[in-house]
Amino acid sequence: EVQLLESGGGLVQPGGSLRLSCAASGFTFSSYAMSWVRQAPGKGLEWVSAISGSGGSTYYADSVKGRFTISRDNSKNTLYLQMNSLKTEDTAVYYCTRLVLQQLVDWGQGTLVTVSS
Amino acid sequence: DIQMTQSPSSLSASVGDRVTITCRASQGIRNDLGWYQQKPGKAPKRLIYAASSLQSGVPSRFSGSGSGTEFTLTISSLQPEDFATYYCLQHNSYPRTFGQGTKLEIK
Repeated sequence: EVQLLESGGGLVQPGGSLRLSCAASGFTFSSYAMSWVRQAPGKGLEWVSAISGSGGSTYYADSVKGRFTISRDNSKNTLYLQMNSLKTEDTAVYYCTRLVLQQLVDWGQGTLVTVSS
Repeated sequence: DIQMTQSPSSLSASVGDRVTITCRASQGIRNDLGWYQQKPGKAPKRLIYAASSLQSGVPSRFSGSGSGTEFTLTISSLQPEDFATYYCLQHNSYPRTFGQGTKLEIK
């Protein structure tokens, strides 16, 4: 069974940094691209970033480009999202997702990031 | 970037009704589209992939159609557990983009 467990969320001040982690199990992690999707309170889904199975290719939404960095450690079956220069509008639940044939198939339960002074 | 315009934003319907939700892409995306259902406090769940293929385990009352720029999700006979929010997502190119969502409420 595929399991994706996010961690690292919390309260941070504007301009601060946070690193999210996603521990994956139940599949061969290095064989799959992964992605982060977020959802602000009461709002819709927003795709944030993606990374190939090897980690050699990364993609970002314009809203986070230059501030967020996606990475992975295939030896630890873990996906990361380093978030810098955080803004109040980055407040959201962040979901880790597994891609199968380019499509978001499996989702974690999410971790809440709150950016507030 | 590809924009996905989803309509309606909300819909009130009764158990047993047939409902249709539409997504329009700002440029052609072949059939690179999925539909997701999200219930409050839960992660989204994929219902349809490749525009018209039913995800394993999803009831057959859900169906998808379309190609190019116009896509629809149809629920043939609403059940109580179908009241949720639905999103389309294009995976034709980066950045990926979701529709704005359709909140399906009980009439």
